[in-house]
Amino acid sequence: DAKTTQPTSMDCAEGRAANLPCNHSTISGNEYVYWYRQIHSQGPQYIIHGLKNNETNEMASLIITEDRKSSTLILPHATLRDTAVYYCIVRVANTGNQFYFGTGTSLTVIP
Amino acid sequence: DTAVSQTPKYLVTQMGNDKSIKCEQNLGHDTMYWYKQDSKKFLKIMFSYNNKELIINETVPNRFSPKSPDKAHLNLHINSLELGDSAVYFCASSQVYLAGRDTQYFGPGTRLTVL
Repeated sequence: DAKTTQPTSMDCAEGRAANLPCNHSTISGNEYVYWYRQIHSQGPQYIIHGLKNNETNEMASLIITEDRKSSTLILPHATLRDTAVYYCIVRVANTGNQFYFGTGTSLTVIP
Repeated sequence: DTAVSQTPKYLVTQMGNDKSIKCEQNLGHDTMYWYKQDSKKFLKIMFSYNNKELIINETVPNRFSPKSPDKAHLNLHINSLELGDSAVYFCASSQVYLAGRDTQYFGPGTRLTVL
């Protein structure tokens, strides 16, 4: 599975959009991009995933560049409860391969 | 209703002991997982079961033995505990194990401390 690169940490003002980038320059055509987050002392929580097209759900939007070498997770109106470590993961479709969680981005939402 | 539950939440034990952590999911999922998160916060998969059958077994010492009595349960038994086993262990489940359709739901974790 392709490796991902994320900034170690980011800050965001409460109520503003949080844009979390992820580079996956070696991604192949059949690899999905997943985002999970882990709030302190809790289990990881699924946010969103996509293959080629941009995706949106009630939690966030996922913007994937046309060449698929990078993506951005957007939390449209960050709240204090969004403070967490955010993991970007790529995974091959239709296999039993496991998720490789990297070091993620520690997002701090500031009041 | 708790989707993925683990017991116990905290486990403190002596080196050399044998202990078990239990996991149950009420989501009707076919696939369950065990992950280990060490002190540096790296989250690494250990095992994965699909329909009670082992499908992923990472490089884990054979002191760790998962057991799946049915699709809703995946227990982790650890023999001869060592200091390095101290970590938070997370159970997870997904509907299937195929990418694109395998959103994983995690339990709250079990913090194991080996003294």
